[in-house]
Amino acid sequence: IAGITQAPTSQILAAGRRMTLRCTQDMRHNAMYWYRQDLGLGLRLIHYSNTAGTTGKGEVPDGYSVSRANTDDFPLTLASAVPSQTSVYFCASSIGVNQPQHFGDGTRLSIL
Amino acid sequence: QKEVEQNSGPLSVPEGAIASLNCTYSDRGSQSFFWYRQYSGKSPELIMSIYSNGDKEDGRFTAQLNKASQYVSLLIRDSQPSDSATYLCAVNRNAGNMLTFGGGTRLMVKP
Repeated sequence: IAGITQAPTSQILAAGRRMTLRCTQDMRHNAMYWYRQDLGLGLRLIHYSNTAGTTGKGEVPDGYSVSRANTDDFPLTLASAVPSQTSVYFCASSIGVNQPQHFGDGTRLSIL
Repeated sequence: QKEVEQNSGPLSVPEGAIASLNCTYSDRGSQSFFWYRQYSGKSPELIMSIYSNGDKEDGRFTAQLNKASQYVSLLIRDSQPSDSATYLCAVNRNAGNMLTFGGGTRLMVKP
């Protein structure tokens, strides 16, 4: 079934550890995105990529990095996790700029 | 002022009624507008997209856009209990490929 796959589904992580959240799409969408969703703050864009080989910063990029080596994969890395990064993380993709975005099922991340 | 504003609700409507959800945005240059539905513990699901002024209908859903007044709305006709969810308004601002989401309106449809 075509769509976006995120892994892991959930994770508990000690502060200071490095963590990579995986996102893969098989729809050949050009653009991909990472959001975090927090109660009371809504969905906020962390990083995005309009096409393979390019990335851009969103609203809350600090503490996160991304890469886009190919069309399908867009991993999000927390180099040194902090408790304030406890959140639900959603990966999304769209066929192009200004097009509707489709979301993965999310990763629930808890930093202790 | 928030860039995309929605009443957090909850908005409670009886089954079979019309639910009206509203959203205002601050960037006059915004180009595309989307409504997402999010059930508790699930990911956002695209319901409607609208790009030009006026109404766009899809089944029981109608999106309305008024760029002059900077608002976009979603009407749900014949509301069903299964429509109970949080509805997110998202606006693609005129600043690259970035969606800004409102905080969402929680809709409750009572049988």
